[in-house]
Amino acid sequence: GQNIDQPTEMTATEGAIVQINCTYQTSGFNGLFWYQQHAGEAPTFLSYNVLDGLEEKGRFSSFLSRSKGYSYLLLKELQMKDSASYLCAVRGPYGGATNKLIFGTGTLLAVQP
Amino acid sequence: DAGITQSPRYKITETGRQVTLMCHQTWSHSYMFWYRQDLGHGLRLIYYSAAADITDKGEVPDGYVVSRSKTENFPLTLESATRSQTSVYFCASSGESDLRQFFGPGTRLTVL
Repeated sequence: GQNIDQPTEMTATEGAIVQINCTYQTSGFNGLFWYQQHAGEAPTFLSYNVLDGLEEKGRFSSFLSRSKGYSYLLLKELQMKDSASYLCAVRGPYGGATNKLIFGTGTLLAVQP
Repeated sequence: DAGITQSPRYKITETGRQVTLMCHQTWSHSYMFWYRQDLGHGLRLIYYSAAADITDKGEVPDGYVVSRSKTENFPLTLESATRSQTSVYFCASSGESDLRQFFGPGTRLTVL
């Protein structure tokens, strides 16, 4: 089966760095996505990792370790607008259409002044 | 404008009624998906489609029906709405080579 775990809530201070962890157990793996979702809005794509290592994109970085079933999203120089839910999603080899994703329940990040 | 749209954005209906949620994308993406989002459950896949006339069940398909006669449209029908189907519904699409899923703005459905 598939199982994705991430913390329910986190709090951080404006200007600081925060790391949001995601662990997964899947019967096959073809990549991990991070999405950002502001309250009342649709999820938007942040990053995609399929190989081990760190992918950096501006203030956001995402890391993957396939052997450990582990990923994290690193947000630097936090801004108030980064207050949102961060969703971890795994793409597995489901046969047929392989673009299906399994989402974690999301981590609600609150950035405080 | 190009993109992915959903209609209606808000819907209130009664138990037992049939409801259809519409999803339209202008990118000619092959893949389309329907999710529901509930507190404590995150996004759960209802149905997906790999191409026109090809659909398959996701994690929570019971009580829902989909069709895809055209690449750009992927309507979701609740045949006989129940209170447990009160939720926010998101449609998404992705291309063959670009694996990112792009989400529509969502439909907030309330079943009384």
